[in-house]
Amino acid sequence: LAKTTQPISMDSYEGQEVNITCSHNNIATNDYITWYQQFPSQGPRFIIQGYKTKVTNEVASLFIPADRKSSTLSLPRVSLSDTAVYYCLVGDYNNDMRFGAGTRLTVKP
Amino acid sequence: EPEVTQTPSHQVTQMGQEVILRCVPISNHLYFYWYRQILGQKVEFLVSFYNNEISEKSEIFDDQFSVERPDGSNFTLKIRSTKLEDSAMYFCATQREVAGGPSDEQYFGPGTRLTVT
Repeated sequence: LAKTTQPISMDSYEGQEVNITCSHNNIATNDYITWYQQFPSQGPRFIIQGYKTKVTNEVASLFIPADRKSSTLSLPRVSLSDTAVYYCLVGDYNNDMRFGAGTRLTVKP
Repeated sequence: EPEVTQTPSHQVTQMGQEVILRCVPISNHLYFYWYRQILGQKVEFLVSFYNNEISEKSEIFDDQFSVERPDGSNFTLKIRSTKLEDSAMYFCATQREVAGGPSDEQYFGPGTRLTVT
């Protein structure tokens, strides 16, 4: 399973775009990149998944460069309710998810 | 929107006692997981379950732990003899099957907070 490295914490202000980068230097050919969000005392919630280039859904975008050794989760115009821990996970469909420490995002007014 | 549910929401037990944590998966989901999260720490994978058998388990999932799907709906985690260090939030997650494999998203339940005294 590829190891991931993310910043421990980030601060932002309401209305700003937030980009959280995850490093995964030993990602395997079959691995996908998945991001989850977790609020205190709740289970993680799926945000987005991608394999290469760019993926966009209604809540976020995921940018993956050609070498796939990193990925960036982009949250447009964050609000206070986006304050949470964001986890980057790398694995293939049949690998069970191993969470890292995640990035604690704090959105300030 | 369908949800994974877990019972109880909070369980307090004495060291050495057996506990059973229950999860009701989303109805058409076929892949099941248990995770735990000790307060202030990361989410840790315990076990995955598919086709009525364990697919993978972590080093945490020792002989004190077992899982089963006794009635085709509930998915349970049993801790045979609890220890103080088993105190944590336990999350069940489920996943549907697409094209012969799991889909991209695991749906997590709200968790059971287990306190061992």
